[in-house]
Amino acid sequence: NAGVMQNPRHLVRRRGQEARLRCSPMKGHSHVYWYRQLPEEGLKFMVYLQKENIIDESGMPKERFSAEFPKEGPSILRIQQVVRGDSAAYFCASSRQGQGRYEQYFGPGTRLTVT
Amino acid sequence: QKEVEQNSGPLSVPEGAIASLNCTYSDRVSQSFFWYRQYSGKSPELIMSIYSNGDKEDGRFTAQLNKASQYVSLLIRDSQPSDSATYLCAVKGYGGSQGNLIFGKGTKLSVKP
Repeated sequence: NAGVMQNPRHLVRRRGQEARLRCSPMKGHSHVYWYRQLPEEGLKFMVYLQKENIIDESGMPKERFSAEFPKEGPSILRIQQVVRGDSAAYFCASSRQGQGRYEQYFGPGTRLTVT
Repeated sequence: QKEVEQNSGPLSVPEGAIASLNCTYSDRVSQSFFWYRQYSGKSPELIMSIYSNGDKEDGRFTAQLNKASQYVSLLIRDSQPSDSATYLCAVKGYGGSQGNLIFGKGTKLSVKP
């Protein structure tokens, strides 16, 4: 499968637990983006990363959320002490380059449910 | 605040008709524009990208861009029931770390057999 991969596809957490979402970019892509889609809402940008580097985290909530893209392995979006309002679909996208005319391709998403 | 506006619909067209989806954006320096299709419960799927004023055709899809009017549209010819989905307009900024896409809330299209 040469597409963007995300896991898990569905994640259920109780309030106060931690959620870890993983994303492997498409082959040949080195730029990763995380977006969140709340029920009946549009897609909102959260964070943009390259290997070992956060390029833009302007859309990330200041507390409880963090992201990384290590030299080896997938990108991780981490949500600490989850609350009900974190329930959403989290999508990862990847592109060959960042700025300019480079298309972003989305993974299947992780549906997070906080109980 | 950079914004992308779309009519939320639903837009209902009969099978075989042309569906016209519209989008306006607020940031005049935007350079790259994309249309994604999202089926219910699925992830966005890239349909078209357009960067220059004018029309760009790909099969049954035509994207149109008018930077002076800050307007992007998507035409779907010979609409099929399988085209029923939400269509998302996305705009990418320019310069700096502007790698992220700004999405409209989407237009829900329903193609009736």
